[in-house]
Amino acid sequence: DGGITQSPKYLFRKEGQNVTLSCEQNLNHDAMYWYRQDPGQGLRLIYYSQIVNDFQKGDIAEGYSVSREKKESFPLTVTSAQKNPTAFYLCASRDSKRPGSYNEQFFGPGTRLTVL
Amino acid sequence: SQKIEQNSEALNIQEGKTATLTCNYTNYSPAYLQWYRQDPGRGPVFLLLIRENEKEKRKERLKVTFDTTLKQSLFHITASQPADSATYLCALYGGSNYKLTFGKGTLLTVNP
Repeated sequence: DGGITQSPKYLFRKEGQNVTLSCEQNLNHDAMYWYRQDPGQGLRLIYYSQIVNDFQKGDIAEGYSVSREKKESFPLTVTSAQKNPTAFYLCASRDSKRPGSYNEQFFGPGTRLTVL
Repeated sequence: SQKIEQNSEALNIQEGKTATLTCNYTNYSPAYLQWYRQDPGRGPVFLLLIRENEKEKRKERLKVTFDTTLKQSLFHITASQPADSATYLCALYGGSNYKLTFGKGTLLTVNP
């Protein structure tokens, strides 16, 4: 089955610790995205990557870091500098090469991060 | 500043009726508008895309309209069913870098 996987589904972290959220896709998509969702809020873009070894900050990048060493993988690290990290994190990908796709995004199941 | 508003946080309707959800935007010139469905604790799922030069798009019981003069999109579900209960998100792409901006969503509940 093609798709996007995120792990773990639930993650607990102590204050002051860094934590890395995994995102893997086997859809052969070039573009990948990380969003954060808080209750009653829309999705807010953290980071995105159009191709391997390249990524850009989204609207709320402070306290987060990413890497894109492989096409299939786009891990997100939530650092201790992120003041309010408890949230639902969503990874997505997009086929930027398919004609007419124009930003249809495929989402993973999400990781719920709770800071204790 | 750019703004997307989904007018209702929650909408309750009776099974069999048509649900109509609204998405308004300001300070955008979106090339494309998309609608997604999100179930609790899960990632959004893409439903429909409509381009700025299209007035209406249909897919089975779903219909989307896009009025660039009013800066509004309407999302309709006809013959609604309890299984249609979910949060529906609109999203706009209006510039470079292929970034989508999402509204906060409308929670639709279809009562049997």
